[in-house]
Amino acid sequence: DAGVTQSPTHLIKTRGQQVTLRCSPKSGHDTVSWYQQALGQGPQFIFQYYEEEERQRGNFPDRFSGHQFPNYSSELNVNALLLGDSALYLCASSREKRADTQYFGPGTRLTVL
Amino acid sequence: QQQVKQSPQSLIVQKGGISIINCAYENTAFDYFPWYQQFPGKGPALLIAIRPDVSEKKEGRFTISFNKSAKQFSLHIMDSQPGDSATYFCAARNSGSARQLTFGSGTQLTVLP
Repeated sequence: DAGVTQSPTHLIKTRGQQVTLRCSPKSGHDTVSWYQQALGQGPQFIFQYYEEEERQRGNFPDRFSGHQFPNYSSELNVNALLLGDSALYLCASSREKRADTQYFGPGTRLTVL
Repeated sequence: QQQVKQSPQSLIVQKGGISIINCAYENTAFDYFPWYQQFPGKGPALLIAIRPDVSEKKEGRFTISFNKSAKQFSLHIMDSQPGDSATYFCAARNSGSARQLTFGSGTQLTVLP
């Protein structure tokens, strides 16, 4: 049973560029949440997708957007990258009907130069 | 308030000793309290979790103690091993529809051989 997978593993971008990160949820999971983890800090909630809709958003600007596909996989897009966007981006999946806790993927390490 | 406060920031214990990490919260809308273990370069992995109607939960060497009236909970690692050396995060899940997690700032545990 595959867990949560994310791609790419690492990414280097320059300021002002745009980036797309991808996530495939754990088998049987239908809800995807994205978190940003800055170095030395705990993950911070960006937003959650369920039934292909953004259901909840944390305190992140509109430069952060996402999408969920019919197969429950998800993308996180960040526009106009800033140096401060450098972080580990984590995807977590869960099952809506069982209200399980969230299982995390290995993350994508984004470096903005 | 959505904060979860975690202490200590770092902890060094001898092999076989007891590691104790403490967390406190303010938001009474939290309904589930997981602990995550994170190794360098990896995503957080669920370790153990507790609901607020239970005062203690034990799984192997790991125990959560929960004090609902004080809004505090703690992780105890018995017989700590060098392989337990990692960063530990407490978290609290919001009871709303998204059930997003709010994380503490993390505790870097080092178990000396």
